[in-house]
Amino acid sequence: AQSVTQLDSQVPVFEEAPVELRCNYSSSVSVYLFWYVQYPNQGLQLLLKYLSGSTLVKGINGFEAEFNKSQTSFHLRKPSVHISDTAEYFCAVSAMNRDDKIIFGKGTRLHILP
Amino acid sequence: EAGVVQSPRYKIIEKKQPVAFWCNPISGHNTLYWYRQNLGQGPELLIRYENEEAVDDSQLPKDRFSAERLKGVDSTLKIQPAELGDSAVYLCASSLDQGVPLNTEAFFGQGTRLTVV
Repeated sequence: AQSVTQLDSQVPVFEEAPVELRCNYSSSVSVYLFWYVQYPNQGLQLLLKYLSGSTLVKGINGFEAEFNKSQTSFHLRKPSVHISDTAEYFCAVSAMNRDDKIIFGKGTRLHILP
Repeated sequence: EAGVVQSPRYKIIEKKQPVAFWCNPISGHNTLYWYRQNLGQGPELLIRYENEEAVDDSQLPKDRFSAERLKGVDSTLKIQPAELGDSAVYLCASSLDQGVPLNTEAFFGQGTRLTVV
């Protein structure tokens, strides 16, 4: 079975500063990896996904993530955050199996400080 | 294009009462999911449909929860009777899956926030 650990429940960062949200996964098989964002009182929206190929994945809103197989990590980064990035961010994993489901982490709340 | 539509947005009920949630997926999406999101947690899959067939309901508490997806379009999720621990946000999502990899992108509705008192 797969599992996801998001090491930080909350991350405060000043506006225009860079941010990294950490995600580690556990799996005995190859996986697909995702980052979703949830704005207040909204559903989840896909930020980016890693399926195969280049380990550096670029997503919407200036976010990117890097897949590191040896460290079983998929950290999310943004070089300069904006107040509008205030949200909950979820890392998720799915085994490379047609019948497997997505497993979500507990989420990291990003607080943008003025 | 309309997104995934859920109703109601909010629901407050007393324990032991029944409750139902409705979901209208994106047009043409063959796969539909119901997730439960407890406060401070990530979403957890309750049930997944491919068209009208429930292909994964292993996490659905079948003693009190039921779901249906008639005609492979809209879906309803029911709880009867509700318990205090059922308070959560219930999310519906849909995707167009045409083979591996499954779940490459699921589009989520805004959710129904259930409070059981």
